[in-house]
Amino acid sequence: QKEVEQDPGPLSVPEGAIVSLNCTYSNSAFQYFMWYRQYSRKGPELLMYTYSSGNKEDGRFTAQVDKSSKYISLFIRDSQPSDSATYLCATPGNTPLVFGKGTRLSVIA
Amino acid sequence: DVKVTQSSRYLVKRTGEKVFLECVQDMDHENMFWYRQDPGLGLRLIYFSYDVKMKEKGDIPEGYSVSREKKERFSLILESASTNQTSMYLCASSSDPQTNGYTFGSGTRLTVV
Repeated sequence: QKEVEQDPGPLSVPEGAIVSLNCTYSNSAFQYFMWYRQYSRKGPELLMYTYSSGNKEDGRFTAQVDKSSKYISLFIRDSQPSDSATYLCATPGNTPLVFGKGTRLSVIA
Repeated sequence: DVKVTQSSRYLVKRTGEKVFLECVQDMDHENMFWYRQDPGLGLRLIYFSYDVKMKEKGDIPEGYSVSREKKERFSLILESASTNQTSMYLCASSSDPQTNGYTFGSGTRLTVV
């Protein structure tokens, strides 16, 4: 079983929709969880960072960790065309970051 | 603004050539990483380094080597380029991967013909 699993999509939504992006992880000892956003032909950039369980909100973005089910989520409210990108979840695991394969999101105006 | 700079955005090399991909960071980070990114396979770790002159193999080190002579510079070397090494190569650095994540460069799109 891979350490982090992520549905690759693609996911296409209309502008203004609420987007839910999800990952599962295998090791219950993982404590730190990150979401990266990658625009086409660019490197990933850190978007959100959470520690342990619970929610973290930053503007239109909310990161959620459910440790009981080993599930992490990124919610985007009022999605915009500028949110069109690939979103990757990541966790440090046993040290170098382990990434999900990424979900490609398109927000259609 | 902190930066990780990769020397080339696009590179075309011939099979059998020795290829050098350069990465420089200006954040005084101890940790540096090389990944390749391919459609359907995601980011795969090639090599990483936690200190000058130190290197560790990642998940797919075969056909690659690295050099870290100075703290700010981490080079990836393709000893004899092959077509299956055509990929996007991403360099990253971090002060503490556990808590701070990575800063990535913009990537080098390498095509081996």
